[in-house]
Amino acid sequence: GAVVSQHPSRVICKSGTSVKIECRSLDFQATTMFWYRQFPKQSLMLMATSNEGSKATYEQGVEKDKFLINHASLTLSTLTVTSAHPEDSSFYICSASVSGYEQYFGPGTRLTVT
Amino acid sequence: QKEVEQDPGPLSVPEGAIVSLNCTYSNSAFQYFMWYRQYSRKGPELLMYTYSSGNKEDGRFTAQVDKSSKYISLFIRDSQPSDSATYLCAMQGGSEKLVFGKGTKLTVNP
Repeated sequence: GAVVSQHPSRVICKSGTSVKIECRSLDFQATTMFWYRQFPKQSLMLMATSNEGSKATYEQGVEKDKFLINHASLTLSTLTVTSAHPEDSSFYICSASVSGYEQYFGPGTRLTVT
Repeated sequence: QKEVEQDPGPLSVPEGAIVSLNCTYSNSAFQYFMWYRQYSRKGPELLMYTYSSGNKEDGRFTAQVDKSSKYISLFIRDSQPSDSATYLCAMQGGSEKLVFGKGTKLTVNP
């Protein structure tokens, strides 16, 4: 149980384009979903927290207009990187939680912006 | 001082060794303590979850929390090459947010 999927697993896009990443909880309903970013050899940095049907809460320093989060249902959240630039290249990971405490992570999406 | 400190290693041990991984923290509000395992280019996998002080054992893994010292540990007995990964400690208290350590890269050599 507690399986979280992400799609796509890897994406390459050109600078200036937008990319959408999906995060799904497959066998449970997630009250809260989290989006993280991880640079090579670094730990996970929380970008935003989202609850179904409400606006996401962004961490300090994260541009909400650049990283659009939509939590449309209890099993799906999406992260859209708008007008992507090479510095946005990173490993993006989502997690989902039922209780708000135990978080189950997706396999991650590697974004490369050329 | 960072909220969570974790030695990044790398740590290299022979197969069968006992591995000890540790984190220290500064925030007294932390009540929930986790250990995650992350293989290269994959998402973290929850290994152990502990509330407050004490020990928790699951197979070859034992998690210890000492709140008085603000110190948590993960022990791996009879380590296997398949245990080679980065181990991340994470903590929570007062909110849903997880605060992660930097992770310790472990290699178990056959």
